[in-house]
Amino acid sequence: KQEVTQIPAALSVPEGENLVLNCSFTDSAIYNLQWFRQDPGKGLTSLLLIQSSQREQTSGRLNASLDKSSGRSTLYIAASQPGDSATYLCAVVGYGNKLVFGAGTILRVKS
Amino acid sequence: DTAVSQTPKYLVTQMGNDKSIKCEQNLGHDTMYWYKQDSKKFLKIMFSYNNKELIINETVPNRFSPKSPDKAHLNLHINSLELGDSAVYFCASSQSWGTGRSWEQYFGPGTRLTVT
Repeated sequence: KQEVTQIPAALSVPEGENLVLNCSFTDSAIYNLQWFRQDPGKGLTSLLLIQSSQREQTSGRLNASLDKSSGRSTLYIAASQPGDSATYLCAVVGYGNKLVFGAGTILRVKS
Repeated sequence: DTAVSQTPKYLVTQMGNDKSIKCEQNLGHDTMYWYKQDSKKFLKIMFSYNNKELIINETVPNRFSPKSPDKAHLNLHINSLELGDSAVYFCASSQSWGTGRSWEQYFGPGTRLTVT
């Protein structure tokens, strides 16, 4: 059974810092991995999707890497801003396009 | 123009009642999903449908019955509501679900269900 773990559970940083969010999964038989952002009381916004054959994806200040063999992914956020404050969710995709989510990392960027 | 929409946004009801949540997507996708986010914010899949056919049923109590009248709609009907059903329910869609690759999922805004 696939299990996804995200570390840390919460993170508070001053504006401008670069930061790394970690995601690990137990079963490497995945099709892809998605990083989402969830603002309080809102839905999920897809940030980056990495296919299982890829090693990383970049979008603006975000960079996500995937090491399928070791069951790890990281989300790197450069030059963090207060508007980045949200919960970041990692999800792996297996058979049937089923997403298995981690519990999330709550990020607070202080101005 | 909203891609995946859900109604209602909030739903407050009493134990034992029956309620429905509606989901519509205008992306032309074939596959739709229901996820539940519990009080600890943990998201878990409940069902998925492809072109009106059930693909995934994650051992959800049979009080929950998804219905897909057409591939653009996937409604969730809940019978005999219990306190533990209180959660946020998210609908999502993807272009397809086929084996051998994956398809990006797009989420609706969620429906917060409170059972009193």
